[in-house]
Amino acid sequence: KNQVEQSPQSLIILEGKNCTLQCNYTVSPFSNLRWYKQDTGRGPVSLTIMTFSENTKSNGRYTATLDADTKQSSLHITASQLSDSASYICVGDRGSTLGRLYFGRGTQLTVWP
Amino acid sequence: KAGVTQTPRYLIKTRGQQVTLSCSPISGHRSVSWYQQTPGQGLQFLFEYFSETQRNKGNFPGRFSGRQFSNSRSEMNVSTLELGDSALYLCASSRDIQNTEAFFGQGTRLTVV
Repeated sequence: KNQVEQSPQSLIILEGKNCTLQCNYTVSPFSNLRWYKQDTGRGPVSLTIMTFSENTKSNGRYTATLDADTKQSSLHITASQLSDSASYICVGDRGSTLGRLYFGRGTQLTVWP
Repeated sequence: KAGVTQTPRYLIKTRGQQVTLSCSPISGHRSVSWYQQTPGQGLQFLFEYFSETQRNKGNFPGRFSGRQFSNSRSEMNVSTLELGDSALYLCASSRDIQNTEAFFGQGTRLTVV
């Protein structure tokens, strides 16, 4: 069964601190793994896209890692800011068409001043 | 370059009514997909259109339908609305059917009362 599971469901951290979000996926065949950021009431915005051959990819203060053997990915946020408060969604892509994207339920991150 | 545009942003309907949502993809993008997002279920795939043809369909009842026009704009229709249809409906576009780099619109918040 194709699915993506994320943990924790929610997380509260203080501004300036680092945090790591986790994603386990069982998507086959596997094309790539994505992380999206979704602000409340807005559409998701892509942060990173990694193929199975990529171990890590950065986008500013966001760094995603991928272990294709264990089917695990993580998103590390460095020096958090209030604007990082959002839902972070992990997506497994089977490739070919948009209908083959499998979305996790997201981790709701809240950054406190 | 304009992003994906969804209209309206907010909508309130009563049970039994029908509703039509609109999505204009990024200029040059020909693939459009629709998703329903609820707090309990996360993002769920509704359907995908390319060249005015439905290419993939998710596991939703026949009350949910859509179409795509020759200019790639897409509409989604929900008939006989139920309370459970209250959700954020998101549209995403990509360049073509085999390019799954998806760009999301802001969504339409539908409330059924």
